[in-house]
Amino acid sequence: EAQVTQNPRYLITVTGKKLTVTCSQNMNHEYMSWYRQDPGLGLRQIYYSMNVEVTDKGDVPEGYKVSRKEKRNFPLILESPSPNQTSLYFCASSSGLAELPWNEQFFGPGTRLTVL
Amino acid sequence: AQKITQTQPGMFVQEKEAVTLDCTYDTSDPSYGLFWYKQPSSGEMIFLIYQGSYDQQNATEGRYSLNFQKARKSANLVISASQLGDSAMYFCAMREGWGYGNKLVFGAGTILRVKS
Repeated sequence: EAQVTQNPRYLITVTGKKLTVTCSQNMNHEYMSWYRQDPGLGLRQIYYSMNVEVTDKGDVPEGYKVSRKEKRNFPLILESPSPNQTSLYFCASSSGLAELPWNEQFFGPGTRLTVL
Repeated sequence: AQKITQTQPGMFVQEKEAVTLDCTYDTSDPSYGLFWYKQPSSGEMIFLIYQGSYDQQNATEGRYSLNFQKARKSANLVISASQLGDSAMYFCAMREGWGYGNKLVFGAGTILRVKS
């Protein structure tokens, strides 16, 4: 089954304790992205990657890191989490084929993070 | 300026009636795509319907249709014959350009409640 998986699905942590949220897709997609969802703001892009070893900042990158060492994985790293990073996080992937008229982004199930 | 505006924070609709969820967008790019996603209380993002900026006809997918008015820059979602399972958060999103891996920009969302 084609899917994007995220782990963990739920996480409660404390300020300053480094954490990693994993994201993996089995569709051989070139493009992967992280979003955070906050009430009244919709989803906002944190970081994206257009292929292995190619990453770039989205709209709200502060306090986050990413890496793309393999095509299927795109982990989100919070080196020193703070309470304002409490949010619902989504990983998404899509094909990078430019000839497609549109690229549907496939979303993971979401990770609900609480930073105390 | 907001690129995607959803002016209805919440709406109620009677079961079996039709409902329209509003979405206006702002872009100077002639090539763009408009998406609607459904987010039930379980949290996952479910793709509903897509409209391309060059599409001549309004998109339809089952009970969902997109009322695309390009000159007014609006892309309203119409749900016909509402069902209790339609109760969810609905997001309008835009992707600018046909290029490789462009991000989705989301509106703040509209919560829809279907009454029996």
